[in-house]
Amino acid sequence: KNQVEQSPQSLIILEGKNCTLQCNYTVSPFSNLRWYKQDTGRGPVSLTIMTFSENTKSNGRYTATLDADTKQSSLHITASQLSDSASYICVVSAELRNAGNMLTFGGGTRLMVKP
Amino acid sequence: DTAVSQTPKYLVTQMGNDKSIKCEQNLGHDTMYWYKQDSKKFLKIMFSYNNKELIINETVPNRFSPKSPDKAHLNLHINSLELGDSAVYFCASTSSESSSYNEQFFGPGTRLTVL
Repeated sequence: KNQVEQSPQSLIILEGKNCTLQCNYTVSPFSNLRWYKQDTGRGPVSLTIMTFSENTKSNGRYTATLDADTKQSSLHITASQLSDSASYICVVSAELRNAGNMLTFGGGTRLMVKP
Repeated sequence: DTAVSQTPKYLVTQMGNDKSIKCEQNLGHDTMYWYKQDSKKFLKIMFSYNNKELIINETVPNRFSPKSPDKAHLNLHINSLELGDSAVYFCASTSSESSSYNEQFFGPGTRLTVL
């Protein structure tokens, strides 16, 4: 059964601090791994997408890593800002014929950045 | 210029009623999805349509009936609403053309509350 597990479930940090969110997955056949940011009351927005051959990818202050051997990923947020407060969802994609990608979602890490 | 739009944003209704949620995308994508996000924030796929044809139908009660009049629209009709149907429903779209990413773009969500 395809599963994506994230930790921690929730995290509170002070503005300006760094943090790392974790994601473990068992999804087959693996196509890519994505990190989404979901603000309260909005749909998820993609931060990074990594394929099997990519170990790291950055998007501004967000850096994602992928270890396809251990099936783990992390999302590192540098110099956090109040606007980073959101849920961060790890999503692993299995490629399906003629149907785009089948996504398996983690439960998300709810991050709160305090001043 | 919203890429994926949903209406309504909020829907409050009585148990037993029938309701519809509409989704439209202007990205030229050929694949659209409906997801349900429960109270624990897990996003689970319900349906996927590729070129107006049903591709994925997860274990969803037959009270839920998706309808795709064209590639740009995927509506969700729900009959005999139950309390457990209360959730946020997200529409998403992607292109199934050969690509490692096939990124999905999400709508803003429709919060359904069944009383």
